[in-house]
Amino acid sequence: DSGVTQTPKHLITATGQRVTLRCSPRSGDLSVYWYQQSLDQGLQFLIQYYNGEERAKGNILERFSAQQFPDLHSELNLSSLELGDSALYFCASSPPTTDTQYFGPGTRLTVL
Amino acid sequence: AQSVTQPDIHITVSEGASLELRCNYSYGATPYLFWYVQSPGQGLQLLLKYFSGDTLVQGIKGFEAEFKRSQSSFNLRKPSVHWSDAAEYFCAVLTGTASKLTFGTGTRLQVTL
Repeated sequence: DSGVTQTPKHLITATGQRVTLRCSPRSGDLSVYWYQQSLDQGLQFLIQYYNGEERAKGNILERFSAQQFPDLHSELNLSSLELGDSALYFCASSPPTTDTQYFGPGTRLTVL
Repeated sequence: AQSVTQPDIHITVSEGASLELRCNYSYGATPYLFWYVQSPGQGLQLLLKYFSGDTLVQGIKGFEAEFKRSQSSFNLRKPSVHWSDAAEYFCAVLTGTASKLTFGTGTRLQVTL
């Protein structure tokens, strides 16, 4: 158990819908990262937040957005969902003193 | 651009045999390197990391990895594999400015009894 929690574990929804994935980092960690794991793209970095501020962006679609709240939990919002958005979405966190990232168990999103 | 190559998609070893999983990276500066393991239906667990110093690093579950700058490699090894080691293994490099991980495509390890 890494100490990073993600909810929900599974999510099944329809095309065109909007979902929110939630992540709570390890105690003391200020950075939160989101990654997408799909069969065709592998593990891809989406976005990073540090203490509430967006720090870096990767291959994140415009239909996707994220934020980090004052209590440091983060949410990833996916809208206008397409079949190709079906994937495992991971959250990771890291403490301010190191670049080591600890991953949560992931949220499996299925878009039907 | 930074990249990580794991040349072996799938490897099968017998329980008790030794294991080496290959990883090659492309990165201009001194890399920060990681190995993660993903068991079926699970998240990514950190096995070990290399930032600097001793090029042979020890990790959890009896794994070790050796950083070889001349070969741009960071291969993962275990002297004796257990059936519970069956999983997918990912090598990753940290890109310094963005602090994002760039992953290889993974190597699936199967262990036969």
